[in-house]
Amino acid sequence: EIVLTQSPGTLSLSPGERTTLSCRASQSVSSSYLAWYQQKPGQAPRLLIYGASSRATGIPDRFSGSGSGTDFTLTISRLEPEDFAVYYCQHYGNSFWTFGQGTKVEIK
Amino acid sequence: QVQLQESGPGLVKPSETLSLTCSVSGYSINSGHYWGWIRQPPGKGLEWIGSIYHSGSYYYNPSLQSRVTISVDMSKNQFSLKLSSVTAADTAVYYCARGGCSGGYCYSHYWGQGTLVTVSS
Repeated sequence: EIVLTQSPGTLSLSPGERTTLSCRASQSVSSSYLAWYQQKPGQAPRLLIYGASSRATGIPDRFSGSGSGTDFTLTISRLEPEDFAVYYCQHYGNSFWTFGQGTKVEIK
Repeated sequence: QVQLQESGPGLVKPSETLSLTCSVSGYSINSGHYWGWIRQPPGKGLEWIGSIYHSGSYYYNPSLQSRVTISVDMSKNQFSLKLSSVTAADTAVYYCARGGCSGGYCYSHYWGQGTLVTVSS
C-alpha cells in the first residue's frame, strides 16, 4: 500500500505570495497516477492537477505541478483570496485510491 | 456534464448498517470507469472506502473491507454503499466519485457534493 505524506500541515501566507506544497510517496509511483485536489469548506474536492503536472479544465495557470518518483510538488505562483483552502494529493490506482493527509493554506 | 448525487439517511444508530446511493447523470455507468466512495470525518482528511467497476469487479480499503459492500444498479444508473456495524467513528461526510483513466492519466474527476452521516443513538 502506497502512503502519501504531505508537508507542511499548514501554511500561513498572504495574498500575492508564492507557495510550494509537497507530497512524498512511500515508494516510487508513476506520475500518470498522481493528482492534486483543492477543497474549500463545505465543498467536495475539485481536481486541479492530473498526471502530476497537467492542469484540469478551467484551472488557472498560477497552479502548477511537478515531480516524479516519490517527490511531487504543487506550486501556486501568486495566491489569490480564493486559493485559501486545503490541498490533497492522490495516487490513483484502480484497486486503491490513496490520499495524502492534506495541506491547509490559510490567510496570514 | 457528468453529475453525481449522494442520497440516504443522515442519521444511523450504532451497530446498524449505513446505506447510501449515488445517482449518476450525464454518463452511463455501463460505459466504463470506476465508481468509488470516499469519506471525510469532521475536520479530517479524505479516506477512500472502495470502488467498483461497471463490470462488477470491486476493491475495498483493507481497513474497512470486512464491513463494506459496494454494488451497481445499471438499470437506475446508480451505485450504492453499505457499511455495517457502524460506530461513532464512522461519522463523516460521504462522497461518491468517478475515477478512471483518460489519455494515460488516471484520477477522480467527478465528485458528488457529499452527504453527512452521523452515527448516534
